[in-house]
Amino acid sequence: AQTVTQSQPEMSVQEAETVTLSCTYDTSESDYYLFWYKQPPSRQMILVIRQEAYKQQNATENRFSVNFQKAAKSFSLKISDSQLGDAAMYFCAYRSGYGGSQGNLIFGKGTKLSVKP
Amino acid sequence: ETGVTQTPRHLVMGMTNKKSLKCEQHLGHNAMYWYKQSAKKPLELMFVYNFKEQTENNSVPSRFSPECPNSSHLFLHLHTLQPEDSALYLCASSLGERVTGELFFGEGSRLTVL
Repeated sequence: AQTVTQSQPEMSVQEAETVTLSCTYDTSESDYYLFWYKQPPSRQMILVIRQEAYKQQNATENRFSVNFQKAAKSFSLKISDSQLGDAAMYFCAYRSGYGGSQGNLIFGKGTKLSVKP
Repeated sequence: ETGVTQTPRHLVMGMTNKKSLKCEQHLGHNAMYWYKQSAKKPLELMFVYNFKEQTENNSVPSRFSPECPNSSHLFLHLHTLQPEDSALYLCASSLGERVTGELFFGEGSRLTVL
């Protein structure tokens, strides 16, 4: 079975600085997708960024980028120029590429990010 | 209006009560999900509905009973719950079960079982 591990329960960053959140996963599949979701204090979880395993290029969305190391099964999220609104719980998630009942998200426990003004 | 709306936002119930959580999505999606979010634990998938048909029941106790009357509405009926069932229950939707499909979440219903 696939697992997702986020080893940092809490992180803190100074406003305008850069922070990296770690995520590792375990799978025997070759086709899969990885996601970072953000859950602000209002609790509505939103997608931050997505990475297809077959793509070697790291995904980027504005100030958010990932470092996808397929061999190491590592998928870290880098937030540049941190803003107060980035404060939230961040969840790493895995989804099999084979669809059906295997196609549902497996989440890590989350990392709580605080941003200091 | 948010894409996925959950009601009530907060619910307190005794172990013998019967209550229901409601989820509604206005995004034209075909798949809907119930997740349980407990402190210090990963989100747990409970149920999946695709085109109103249940496609996943992740070994959830029968005291949780889902209902999906149409692709826009999803209910979670609660009966004789236990204190350990206290958690945040999140509803989500997506465009079918396509593997690249993004999940859109509601704000959740905070359930406390006394």
